[in-house]
Amino acid sequence: EPEVTQTPSHQVTQMGQEVILRCVPISNHLYFYWYRQILGQKVEFLVSFYNNEISEKSEIFDDQFSVERPDGSNFTLKIRSTKLEDSAMYFCASSNPGPQHFGDGTRLSIL
Amino acid sequence: KNEVEQSPQNLTAQEGEFITINCSYSVGISALHWLQQHPGGGIVSLFMLSSGKKKHGRLIATINIQEKHSSLHITASHPRDSAVYICAALPHTGTASKLTFGTGTRLQVTL
Repeated sequence: EPEVTQTPSHQVTQMGQEVILRCVPISNHLYFYWYRQILGQKVEFLVSFYNNEISEKSEIFDDQFSVERPDGSNFTLKIRSTKLEDSAMYFCASSNPGPQHFGDGTRLSIL
Repeated sequence: KNEVEQSPQNLTAQEGEFITINCSYSVGISALHWLQQHPGGGIVSLFMLSSGKKKHGRLIATINIQEKHSSLHITASHPRDSAVYICAALPHTGTASKLTFGTGTRLQVTL
């Protein structure tokens, strides 16, 4: 069964550094999402993406965040200057629409 | 803003027991996801339903749109069912719609 893949599984970065989280959505899906989960908290929506543009973004998704679909397969989340509070599990999801399928997540640790 | 609540927050059961996890939401939705999150953090989509009932193996999900309530049942529970179960509300379909997540129910099934 096709799946959403995310890399890396764990990223450790110094505060203030840029980080790029990568996702390969399911190939025929058209809608893409990023969510995050701070340890011990519920999953929160960051951004949705359709037709090469952002459809919706949350208050969390400020100017430090950006998303891109650089080619036909990858969907990336960039954090420009990381802060300690960016430490979380980041999940990518895709849909067609219908059920959203999730990747296994990238655990981001900011030191 | 949709508030999604789950109960109980924690649940311990013995192998073989019938389990029910409840989810309620405050605003009308088009569909509800039930998700399973394993200790490693990955999220698996179990069901998406907008009315009635769905069954997959030992898992059954029901939803009552008028009462804004859904339940996830596990029959003949097994230790491998131990995970966090999360419900997430979808406001409308056909667009890149964000999910609003509940806080999750941590299930531990013992021998």
